[in-house]
Amino acid sequence: KAGVTQTPRYLIKTRGQQVTLSCSPISGHRSVSWYQQTPGQGLQFLFEYFSETQRNKGNFPGRFSGRQFSNSRSEMNVSTLELGDSALYLCASSLVGLAGANTGELFFGEGSRLTVL
Amino acid sequence: SQQGEEDPQALSIQEGENATMNCSYKTSINNLQWYRQNSGRGLVHLILIRSNEREKHSGRLRVTLDTSKKSSSLLITASRAADTASYFCAPRLDRGSTLGRLYFGRGTQLTVWP
Repeated sequence: KAGVTQTPRYLIKTRGQQVTLSCSPISGHRSVSWYQQTPGQGLQFLFEYFSETQRNKGNFPGRFSGRQFSNSRSEMNVSTLELGDSALYLCASSLVGLAGANTGELFFGEGSRLTVL
Repeated sequence: SQQGEEDPQALSIQEGENATMNCSYKTSINNLQWYRQNSGRGLVHLILIRSNEREKHSGRLRVTLDTSKKSSSLLITASRAADTASYFCAPRLDRGSTLGRLYFGRGTQLTVWP
């Protein structure tokens, strides 16, 4: 079974631009969450999606947005990029069992490393 | 704060030695999970221990949980150079409504020297 796939793996943008990152979860996983990892702040939760609906959101400005498609694939977008948005963006999927229960563990992709110049 | 806090921040040992990392948290949990991250890569789930469990083993890994002290420990026995990575604990606070949200700490950077 293929793992979580994130594209692109590396990208360089300049301030003011926008970026879209993509995540394909493990087949059968309907929950997708996104995290930002920086040396200064560590791993910070961005948002999570289930059944195309945002179920939870972290403390990030509105420049950070996301969506989930009917096939559970997810994208996140960052508009008006700032230098501080340089980070490793990690996507994770999880298996949602019967009655919406979560089995607990997250399966992470390799991340998209964004550099903002 | 709802996140786990790992201790020590850094640990350096020789191959063959055991490595112990600790995690403390502040709220009631449903379970606690440990993850490993090799430099610049994604996180890999290692082990999950539920709040009603006290100890769990997986290969060379042994995890303990003390809910009265709100703490957990991860023991890696007979460490190898390939165990060099950052290790994170993540308390899960409820039974599923938060789905993919885990509260990661800053991690313990383990270095295993050949």
